[in-house]
Amino acid sequence: DGGITQSPKYLFRKEGQNVTLSCEQNLNHDAMYWYRQDPGQGLRLIYYSQIVNDFQKGDIAEGYSVSREKKESFPLTVTSAQKNPTAFYLCASSMVSQPQHFGDGTRLSIL
Amino acid sequence: EDQVTQSPEALRLQEGESSSLNCSYTVSGLRGLFWYRQDPGKGPEFLFTLYSAGEEKEKERLKATLTKKESFLHITAPKPEDSATYLCAADPSNDYKLSFGAGTTVTVRA
Repeated sequence: DGGITQSPKYLFRKEGQNVTLSCEQNLNHDAMYWYRQDPGQGLRLIYYSQIVNDFQKGDIAEGYSVSREKKESFPLTVTSAQKNPTAFYLCASSMVSQPQHFGDGTRLSIL
Repeated sequence: EDQVTQSPEALRLQEGESSSLNCSYTVSGLRGLFWYRQDPGKGPEFLFTLYSAGEEKEKERLKATLTKKESFLHITAPKPEDSATYLCAADPSNDYKLSFGAGTTVTVRA
């Protein structure tokens, strides 16, 4: 079945540590996105990529980094510079101007 | 600045009690308006796309409508399995980024 796979489902970060969230899609979509979801707030865009080897900052990119070396993969690194990383992270993919399809998220917490 | 506002924040319904959710948007040229359903601990699941004022889409007990400034999601005779958070998102014509509302959490009691 085609879809988006995010791993791990739960992740814990120690102070000063970088952690990487995985996102893989087999939908052959060109565009991929990372969002952060906090209680009572809409999804906020962290980074997006419309094509391999290219990506753009979203609205809240500070403290995060991404890469897009393969069409199907778009990993997100939460760096130690992100002082409030506790959130639900969602990865999505789409063809341009088509509905985005989402994975089931990674919940990140601080130890 | 693009903005999407959903109301109410929460809605508690009795099974069979129909109601509507509102999504007001301010974007620079709307290319499309998306509705999603999100269950706790899961990613949003796509429901509908609306492209122009007057358009309607239906799926089981859900019907989405669009005007020039807002969209409504009507839930007819809801069942407990319709309990979820419903998100709307506007796709502006001058950008590749969606603007999401904060969602309406619907609880349907048997």
